[in-house]
Amino acid sequence: KAGVTQTPRYLIKTRGQQVTLSCSPISGHRSVSWYQQTPGQGLQFLFEYFSETQRNKGNFPGRFSGRQFSNSRSEMNVSTLELGDSALYLCASSSGLTGTEAFFGQGTRLTVV
Amino acid sequence: AQRVTQPEKLLSVFKGAPVELKCNYSYSGSPELFWYVQYSRQRLQLLLRHISRESIKGFTADLNKGETSFHLKKPFAQEEDSAMYYCALKGLSGSARQLTFGSGTQLTVLP
Repeated sequence: KAGVTQTPRYLIKTRGQQVTLSCSPISGHRSVSWYQQTPGQGLQFLFEYFSETQRNKGNFPGRFSGRQFSNSRSEMNVSTLELGDSALYLCASSSGLTGTEAFFGQGTRLTVV
Repeated sequence: AQRVTQPEKLLSVFKGAPVELKCNYSYSGSPELFWYVQYSRQRLQLLLRHISRESIKGFTADLNKGETSFHLKKPFAQEEDSAMYYCALKGLSGSARQLTFGSGTQLTVLP
């Protein structure tokens, strides 16, 4: 079956702009989680959606938001971009049940200039 | 709060030597623990999880609740094991259900 797909793969934005990243989970998966990966902070949890509801949220400012659609596809939005938002944003999907594996996408590389 | 610590950022061993990647965690309940691996230019993928008690690609990891550790071990390292390894913890309820990752250990297996 097809893996987790993230689009776009690369993005360059300027400070102050906003950006929307997209994630298509594995068919049948209802849970989508987002992570920010940077050399300095490693992998940090942003939020998790399950059946269109945010189930969990990490310690990020309100500029970071997300949503999930009825087909389980998810989008992540970052408003008023800052230089420090430059990172690899990873999406992971799972069935959402305890003990199940999370499958990761290739990520979206966001560069803020 | 849940936390995962991987004390070694870089680890180099020679081919055929044993390798141990350390992982310590803090969590008040009973966690699920995982090892994820990221090979060069590939996506992050699950290597193994403690509840399966399995050996994948010769790697094993035992959960030691007394020492709150989940070290990854392989008796004979291979060059193809060179990769970034992340230990991760997941709680079982509420806000702890998120996957919390350690900072990762870059393993290099030398010929």
